[in-house]
Amino acid sequence: ETGVTQSPTHLIKTRGQQVTLRCSSQSGHNTVSWYQQALGQGPQFIFQYYREEENGRGNFPPRFSGLQFPNYSSELNVNALELDDSALYLCASSELASPTGELFFGEGSRLTVL
Amino acid sequence: LAKTTQPISMDSYEGQEVNITCSHNNIATNDYITWYQQFPSQGPRFIIQGYKTKVTNEVASLFIPADRKSSTLSLPRVSLSDTAVYYCLVGDKAAGNKLTFGGGTRVLVKP
Repeated sequence: ETGVTQSPTHLIKTRGQQVTLRCSSQSGHNTVSWYQQALGQGPQFIFQYYREEENGRGNFPPRFSGLQFPNYSSELNVNALELDDSALYLCASSELASPTGELFFGEGSRLTVL
Repeated sequence: LAKTTQPISMDSYEGQEVNITCSHNNIATNDYITWYQQFPSQGPRFIIQGYKTKVTNEVASLFIPADRKSSTLSLPRVSLSDTAVYYCLVGDKAAGNKLTFGGGTRVLVKP
């Protein structure tokens, strides 16, 4: 148990729709990162939020956006869903000042786009 | 960010030691080497991190030669529950939590 919770655990959407995924970070962590993991591949970094500001972004288009709230929880929004967006979306919390940069992952939200 | 190369898969048997080597030829001076473990339908879990020589914790050891162009994760006396995907990541600590994972090594422990 990492203390990071994500919702929903599974969802199905159709092409063109929009989706919002939610994450509650571990107590005391001020940083949230989002990752996309396609089947059989490693997690790909989408973006990171620190104190409600985006603090780094991977190679994902602008239709992937996020928010971090004052309590450090976070949302990932994906607009205009495409079939290739089908994946496990992982949220990870961390402490920016951590000596190791260790990420604490949730169990993910599995998105299927039809 | 330094690119890493690791074997796609490895098989082992219960009680054996498993060694997974990761190549990172263009590792930078400020880069650390970090390993994560991922079970099916779960997020990755931090195992160990090191900069040089040897690091050991309660679950694994990490061996890093002087040139730091590779590293080896050693899992002593594996059990069936060690069956998982193991990822090697290289980057500086400032970027430590923005790293993208490679393909990982799928370790299958057999009875």
